[in-house]
Amino acid sequence: EVQLVETGGDLIKPGGSLRLSCAASGFAVSSHYMSWVRQAPGKGLDWVSIIYSDGKTFYADSVKGRFTISRDISKNTLYLQMNSLVAEDTAVYYCARVNYRSAYYWGQGTLVTVSS
Amino acid sequence: QSVLTQPPSVSAAPGEKVAISCSGDSSNIENNFVSWYQQLPGAAPKLLIYDSDKRPSGIPDRFSGSKSGTSATLGITGLQTGDEADYYCAVWYSNLTAVFGGGTKLTVL
Repeated sequence: EVQLVETGGDLIKPGGSLRLSCAASGFAVSSHYMSWVRQAPGKGLDWVSIIYSDGKTFYADSVKGRFTISRDISKNTLYLQMNSLVAEDTAVYYCARVNYRSAYYWGQGTLVTVSS
Repeated sequence: QSVLTQPPSVSAAPGEKVAISCSGDSSNIENNFVSWYQQLPGAAPKLLIYDSDKRPSGIPDRFSGSKSGTSATLGITGLQTGDEADYYCAVWYSNLTAVFGGGTKLTVL
């Protein structure tokens, strides 16, 4: 059974950094395309980043240069390193496995709050 | 504002059917694949439709997807109170970057 469990969300001051984790089970993250999607409070879904099975990465313009997606094959875990955080980054962050040109499996999300 | 336009809300009575639209243009919907997601209150999104009109296993056939030109539609028949949720369309481009619609709140009266 595919499972994704995000952790690492926290209250962080503007300008700070945070790393989110997404522990996968039931499959190998290295063999699949994995993505991060976020949702600001009361708002819609917002695609953030993707990492290919070959390691290639893409980012939304709003996070390019500040966020880095990566994975640890030994831990079967996906990460999102977030730097230079601003209030607009406040959101629930979901990781998702991408299949058939869709976010096929989702985690339960982790809340990041950027506030002084 | 998303490049994919959805109505903010739709409503219908139990047992009825409803259609939720997702409007884009030739740079997104017309030449890419559309997926649809259901987000129940307080829950993570769940995939309902992929590749414009395919259902993952476990999704009832009350849910259907279609695409024509620069628009896509999610159809739900036999509405149930448990279908009350937010529904999002999304386009995944050839490089698997994505954009989501603004979402539609479905109320089952």
